[in-house]
Amino acid sequence: AQSVTQLDSHVSVSEGTPVLLRCNYSSSYSPSLFWYVQHPNKGLQLLLKYTSAATLVKGINGFEAEFKKSETSFHLTKPSAHMSDAAEYFCVVSSSGTYKYIFGTGTRLKVLA
Amino acid sequence: DAGVIQSPRHEVTEMGQEVTLRCKPISGHNSLFWYRQTMMRGLELLIYFNNNVPIDDSGMPEDRFSAKMPNASFSTLKIQPSEPRDSAVYFCASSLPGLAGYNEQFFGPGTRLTVL
Repeated sequence: AQSVTQLDSHVSVSEGTPVLLRCNYSSSYSPSLFWYVQHPNKGLQLLLKYTSAATLVKGINGFEAEFKKSETSFHLTKPSAHMSDAAEYFCVVSSSGTYKYIFGTGTRLKVLA
Repeated sequence: DAGVIQSPRHEVTEMGQEVTLRCKPISGHNSLFWYRQTMMRGLELLIYFNNNVPIDDSGMPEDRFSAKMPNASFSTLKIQPSEPRDSAVYFCASSLPGLAGYNEQFFGPGTRLTVL
């Protein structure tokens, strides 16, 4: 069985400070992991994905995530937050042979000026 | 590429009316998904098509919901009759052929449905 837990429902950071959005997963098979961002009244946009290649994955807009198998984590980070990063972020787990995405409950990121 | 296209973007209807949501996937994508997003339940998979064939409709709430994919470039989700509890944002997503689970899904902008 697969599951994903986003540890924080809300995160607030000041503009220019680092961002950390936490995600833990559970999977019986080698997982594929994704981070998506959803801006207000918009669809979901892929930030980055991990599919068993390099454990440090770089995505768009300066985001990156590190796959840590021993900790079953896939945390999303960015060195310096920008006002435009304010949005909801979803961690997703899937695995080879299945089409199903298992979505986390989302983390709403607020960026303070 | 224009991305996944959904129409209408907003729909307001009265209880009991029929509602049809439309989706055009990205050209060349052979998998299509319909999702529903609500505050209470988050994102839920309603139905999954592969090569225009419904593979998994276990997420369709009840018989009032139906989905079709008559060809590779068009899909509809119909609710008849609609009820206030159907109010949500409905997303369509598509993905490339290949090893399932590896390919990311591309989401449309969604249809915000309000049933009065």
